[in-house]
Amino acid sequence: DQQVKQNSPSLSVQEGRISILNCDYTNSMFDYFLWYKKYPAEGPTFLISISSIKDKNEDGRFTVFLNKSAKHLSLHIVPSQPGDSAVYFCAASNTGTASKLTFGTGTRLQVTL
Amino acid sequence: DVKVTQSSRYLVKRTGEKVFLECVQDMDHENMFWYRQDPGLGLRLIYFSYDVKMKEKGDIPEGYSVSREKKERFSLILESASTNQTSMYLCASSFSTVGSGEKLFFGSGTQLSVL
Repeated sequence: DQQVKQNSPSLSVQEGRISILNCDYTNSMFDYFLWYKKYPAEGPTFLISISSIKDKNEDGRFTVFLNKSAKHLSLHIVPSQPGDSAVYFCAASNTGTASKLTFGTGTRLQVTL
Repeated sequence: DVKVTQSSRYLVKRTGEKVFLECVQDMDHENMFWYRQDPGLGLRLIYFSYDVKMKEKGDIPEGYSVSREKKERFSLILESASTNQTSMYLCASSFSTVGSGEKLFFGSGTQLSVL
């Protein structure tokens, strides 16, 4: 039972264009969402997060949008750079109970020159 | 900077062997976690711990156990390794922030191959 889903296993975007990574969740108790980036041979690193009381959060080139009614979030990267090529995982948690994160299956982003 | 250190980067073991994966964090975090990463399946939680000597099962605990004798150290144990436990194992830690957002800090991972 995959509670957090990333339906696109891979995405290729040209340098300078926008990258949009999508994530859907099924558990309505999730109220905090995060995106992690993972390079090969390294552990995931935190990128950006959003609480369910917001619908948008920005940090430089990265913006996360949350649509609670659709149980959908997306990560926008503008402009995309070659160094953004990595696997991106979305994750969700219910802050009222256990602190563990539930991760999606990941999307491999390749930014081409 | 938070540092989460996993003792081995690569490990090759034989079926039936007992395997220990060690993880140490240096930021006095209360919470520690073990995940495994497999292609197409993402990161799946094996076990986690909120305090010394405490442990809770994650989503896929079968075939694994854990030990947390000291706050900074969390060990994952494969009692009798099997080929379906070949995977990338990731340790993580975080402050205890129930009621607000939680951010995990990950180690670099241990790629375990069971032959």
